[in-house]
Amino acid sequence: EDQVTQSPEALRLQEGESSSLNCSYTVSGLRGLFWYRQDPGKGPEFLFTLYSAGEEKEKERLKATLTKKESFLHITAPKPEDSATYLCAVQADSSYKLIFGSGTRLLVRP
Amino acid sequence: AAGVIQSPRHLIKEKRETATLKCYPIPRHDTVYWYQQGPGQDPQFLISFYEKMQSDKGSIPDRFSAQQFSDYHSELNMSSLELGDSALYFCASSLKGGNTIYFGEGSWLTVV
Repeated sequence: EDQVTQSPEALRLQEGESSSLNCSYTVSGLRGLFWYRQDPGKGPEFLFTLYSAGEEKEKERLKATLTKKESFLHITAPKPEDSATYLCAVQADSSYKLIFGSGTRLLVRP
Repeated sequence: AAGVIQSPRHLIKEKRETATLKCYPIPRHDTVYWYQQGPGQDPQFLISFYEKMQSDKGSIPDRFSAQQFSDYHSELNMSSLELGDSALYFCASSLKGGNTIYFGEGSWLTVV
């Protein structure tokens, strides 16, 4: 069964304190791995799609990497406005639907 | 840039009533997805459509139905509502291939 596990569930950082979020997955065949940011009561905001092991993508203070078993979302020098829930999702090659993990709630303190 | 538009943003219904949610995908997107997100939970896939045909089905109750119209907008119809149906319902859209899937702001359904 296709499955996504994210860790940690919650993360508190001081402003400027870099860290990484983990997304472990098992999928029959990976079409793509997606990262989203979600603010409370809002829709998930698309960040990245990664397709193959070794791929990396960056956007401002965020960098996503992918291996055959997991993905990392690295946050460099975070700011309070980076506080949100970060969702990881996989798309199997048998379907276009996204299978989400439970997310990591990030709080960045000034 | 145009985004996925959902309506209504909020609605309150009583048990056993019917509700209809609407979704207008990003222009030129031909694939629509529906997700349900309960409080504190991750989004759960309900159903998707490509070119007006159902393309995938997830954990959608038999009381729910959906369709995609010729202008690519989609509607999710929910009947015999239960308290447990209270959730945030998201619509998402993409081009065929689903390389980049964008979500709307969601419709809050409260069943009382």
